[in-house]
Amino acid sequence: GAGVSQSPSNKVTEKGKDVELRCDPISGHTALYWYRQRLGQGLEFLIYFQGNSAPDKSGLPSDRFSAERTGESVSTLTIQRTQQEDSAVYLCASSLSAGSSGYTFGSGTRLTVV
Amino acid sequence: ELKVEQNPLFLSMQEGKNYTIYCNYSTTSDRLYWYRQDPGKSLESLFVLLSNGAVKQEGRLMASLDTKARLSTLHITAAVHDLSATYFCAVDGRGSQGNLIFGKGTKLSVKP
Repeated sequence: GAGVSQSPSNKVTEKGKDVELRCDPISGHTALYWYRQRLGQGLEFLIYFQGNSAPDKSGLPSDRFSAERTGESVSTLTIQRTQQEDSAVYLCASSLSAGSSGYTFGSGTRLTVV
Repeated sequence: ELKVEQNPLFLSMQEGKNYTIYCNYSTTSDRLYWYRQDPGKSLESLFVLLSNGAVKQEGRLMASLDTKARLSTLHITAAVHDLSATYFCAVDGRGSQGNLIFGKGTKLSVKP
């Protein structure tokens, strides 16, 4: 597609439920990144994928967080047993390759845990 | 650990005035990025600075990079209300393999 597409745009879930967030990167972009942005804060790196290499999971805050990517296309970020502190906007970005200078961000998924 | 610090975090200025936002980072980096974020929106890329001494300008915004001082500046000239937004700098640290480390952002409010 023309841009990075994320769904849903908004998600309200009850504490303790699992959620899945989806990201469709720009076609041809081999690198895909997930970031979290809490209200009024900067972006925290969560995880990134580069082609078929093992993902860099160094930013995942706990084992409740996981992400998968199918080849060089769609990625899903899963949060299990959601907690209120998980409430944030989850942003996905893609680039032609890791370290390339052009990152394009999606519009994000606003997650609210009640 | 690479750290990125921006200041100020909040900036209220009048239209027509000039101001500079500063971005300091803690370790050597090859690239520095500036992004703009409007409330409830995603990030819009403004500038990518790739080398020491790089200067880029777009409209009323000018960004520069001093890799020796580990400092980038975003200069606003004759501010207008439309520039009101949050501005983030981000660094692509050497060995980071591509993930960006962001500053906390500078929330700019330009008042008529």
